[in-house]
Amino acid sequence: EDKVVQSPLSLVVHEGDTVTLNCSYEVTNFRSLLWYKQEKKAPTFLFMLTSSGIEKKSGRLSSILDKKELFSILNITATQTGDSAIYLCAVEDGGSEKLVFGKGTKLTVNP
Amino acid sequence: GAVVSQHPSWVICKSGTSVKIECRSLDFQATTMFWYRQFPKQSLMLMATSNEGSKATYEQGVEKDKFLINHASLTLSTLTVTSAHPEDSSFYICSAPDRLSSYNSPLHFGNGTRLTVT
Repeated sequence: EDKVVQSPLSLVVHEGDTVTLNCSYEVTNFRSLLWYKQEKKAPTFLFMLTSSGIEKKSGRLSSILDKKELFSILNITATQTGDSAIYLCAVEDGGSEKLVFGKGTKLTVNP
Repeated sequence: GAVVSQHPSWVICKSGTSVKIECRSLDFQATTMFWYRQFPKQSLMLMATSNEGSKATYEQGVEKDKFLINHASLTLSTLTVTSAHPEDSSFYICSAPDRLSSYNSPLHFGNGTRLTVT
């Protein structure tokens, strides 16, 4: 059964701190790993990773995938209060195209 | 970019009634759409895969007679919660991949529907 495990489940930091969120996975037919940010409503897309070792970057956020060790990390540098959200990691099964989500990491950034 | 529209964004209904939620792909065709449910403080759980022109496939533990899915066109899927009960109160989200324009495009999510059954 496909499985995605995120850690930590919850994280509280101060503005300006750098955080690293972890995601490990087991999937029968890996196609991609995705990171989403969820605030009050539906998740918003952050990154899609398909290849190992290639860092994807968007502003203060970056992510990288290790397909050998079956994990990914999401880094946020110089955190701001607006980064407070639940960050979801999901893995796409190439056969079914289904996304399996982890439980998410709830990030709280205090001023 | 590709947009998925979900309607309504919230609904309150009485126990025993049925509620229909619509999910539309606005600028792309979606042969497949996915319906997720999210309970408070939990992650998104896949309920079913909606397939245009054929029956939906349901995940284990999801009652197909209670959660009716219809995917009558390439841009519209509907989820009907029949005989709703308070325990069905949840956040329902649909999503669709835009595979026709890009095989590697990520899933696009609707804004979700907050269902409260009283």
